Order: sequence, then structure tokens, then C-alpha cells
Amino acid sequence: DAGITQSPRHKVTETGTPVTLRCHQTENHRYMYWYRQDPGHGLRLIHYSYGVKDTDKGEVSDGYSVSRSKTEDFLLTLESATSSQTSVYFCATGGGLDHNEQFFGPGTRLTVL
Amino acid sequence: AQSVTQPDIHITVSEGASLELRCNYSYGATPYLFWYVQSPGQGLQLLLKYFSGDTLVQGIKGFEAEFKRSQSSFNLRKPSVHWSDAAEYFCAVKGSARQLTFGSGTQLTVLP
Repeated sequence: DAGITQSPRHKVTETGTPVTLRCHQTENHRYMYWYRQDPGHGLRLIHYSYGVKDTDKGEVSDGYSVSRSKTEDFLLTLESATSSQTSVYFCATGGGLDHNEQFFGPGTRLTVL
Repeated sequence: AQSVTQPDIHITVSEGASLELRCNYSYGATPYLFWYVQSPGQGLQLLLKYFSGDTLVQGIKGFEAEFKRSQSSFNLRKPSVHWSDAAEYFCAVKGSARQLTFGSGTQLTVLP
């Protein structure tokens, strides 16, 4: 499996505060992804990156921004957290044949009060 | 657009019984198909994948899946379930877009 770490693993914050989640990979994979997981919805893509400084929106991007200044790091920022952003956030990298396989990090549980 | 349906939210089987989890996809051509497993509090682990070729694919932990183009299905099977297989299972599809589209998941409970 790809070496993917996420930090923090758990976070509790208050509505209106900014939050940044970090994903770090050691596999030199070009593609990186941020998903959120909510009961009954599976995983939904927030943003993804296809290279340093190259990012694009996913299905549920409103309220989120991302940055990728190095191959190994992909940051997800909630500019002003809302209770609807309480979720478990997973980072993934794209590897394997033509980058079609995705490898997942352990997740970050975020609670917005 | 690509989409995935997992019609069973929750399945309960007895240990040693066979298992089949259903997955139907919607995509205009043959997509890449995946099954992932998630244990409580953990990330997702890839069980198996189908890209092309043989429509019966073998994965880890004794799982297999069969791609049926005519039914737009990619069902996951295991001949004999172990208690450690209790987890949530996700089917995913990847078409022309770079991202995966996931189904809503099937929660598997294994009875002793």
C-alpha cells in the first residue's frame, strides 16, 4: 500500500473557524484526492490534484479549497467551518496502471460544533 | 456521467455461508471497476479491480468478482465468510474522469 498519512486524525472545532487538513504521501504519486464520507452517501469527491499546483473541483467542492505546493503534500482547507462539514475526510493517491488505482489514508474525523 | 448503485444497505450472513454483494454501474463504455472494504475506524482497502480481460477477477482475502457487461454489474462473492469479513464494502467505478465514483456501501454483519 501507498504510504499515506493524514493529520490531524481527529479534530473538534467551532463554526466559523478555519480548518486545514493535511495529507502526506511517500509514493511520489502524481494524483491526489480529498473525499468526505457521510452515512448513506459513500465517499464523495471534494477536490483532486493532477500535479503540483494543478487542482480541480469534485462533486462537493463548495466551502472547501485545496493547495498542492509539493508532490507529497495536499492540503484541504475549510475557510469557515460549518456544522454540515462535520464528516470523516479521506485522502487518496492515484497509482498503479495509468494512475487508475487509488490508495487511501486512514482518515480524519472532523466535528464542527 | 458515471454512477454506481449498491442496492443492499445491510446484509447479514452466518459464518461459513456464501456471500454475494451486488453492484450495478452506469457508464457508456466499459469502465474500470473496484471493490473496497472498510473496517470500523479504518481507511479503505482495495479488494480487487477489473480493467479488462477475464471477466472473473480474483482479489485478496478470498474474494472474487464477476464483470457482466450485459447486466452492467460487478458483484462481489466469497464462498465461505469468516467473522473477520464483517465490514462495509464499497463498489466504485472510474470512467473517463480521473475520479472514482463510489456506491453508498453495503454493511456486512457475520453471525457466529
